[in-house]
Amino acid sequence: EPEVTQTPSHQVTQMGQEVILRCVPISNHLYFYWYRQILGQKVEFLVSFYNNEISEKSEIFDDQFSVERPDGSNFTLKIRSTKLEDSAMYFCASRRGLAGRNYEQYFGPGTRLTVT
Amino acid sequence: KNEVEQSPQNLTAQEGEFITINCSYSVGISALHWLQQHPGGGIVSLFMLSSGKKKHGRLIATINIQEKHSSLHITASHPRDSAVYICAVSGYGGSQGNLIFGKGTKLSVKP
Repeated sequence: EPEVTQTPSHQVTQMGQEVILRCVPISNHLYFYWYRQILGQKVEFLVSFYNNEISEKSEIFDDQFSVERPDGSNFTLKIRSTKLEDSAMYFCASRRGLAGRNYEQYFGPGTRLTVT
Repeated sequence: KNEVEQSPQNLTAQEGEFITINCSYSVGISALHWLQQHPGGGIVSLFMLSSGKKKHGRLIATINIQEKHSSLHITASHPRDSAVYICAVSGYGGSQGNLIFGKGTKLSVKP
């Protein structure tokens, strides 16, 4: 069964460093998402991406964050200058879809980011 | 903005018990999702529903759109059902796919 993959599974970085989290969505999916979950808290929406552009972003997704689909398969989340409060589990998700219809989302296993 | 509330926060059951987890939301939605989060952190979609009831194996999900309420039932619970169960909702239009999550219900099923 097709699945969403994410790399790395765990990333440790120093405050102020740039990190890139990578995701490979399911191949025929059209909508892509990044979510994050701070330890002990609920999952929060960061950004959605469709047709090679951001379709919506939350207030968490400030100028330090960017997303890219550099080729036909990868979907990346970049944090330019990490802060301690960026430490969280980051989930990528994808869904197929026609506009106006709901489809379930498929989640990747997550990348645990630890900022020291 | 939609507020998603789940109850209970924690639930301990004996193997074989019937389990119910509740979810309520404040604003009309296009769909409601029930997700399962394993101890390792991975998230799996269990159900997506916008009306009525769905069943998959021992799991049943129902939704009442008028009351803005959904329930997830597990029949004949088993220790392998131990996980965090999360309710999430999606809105309309451009934000249709952007899920708003509840805090989750941590279920522990004892043998």
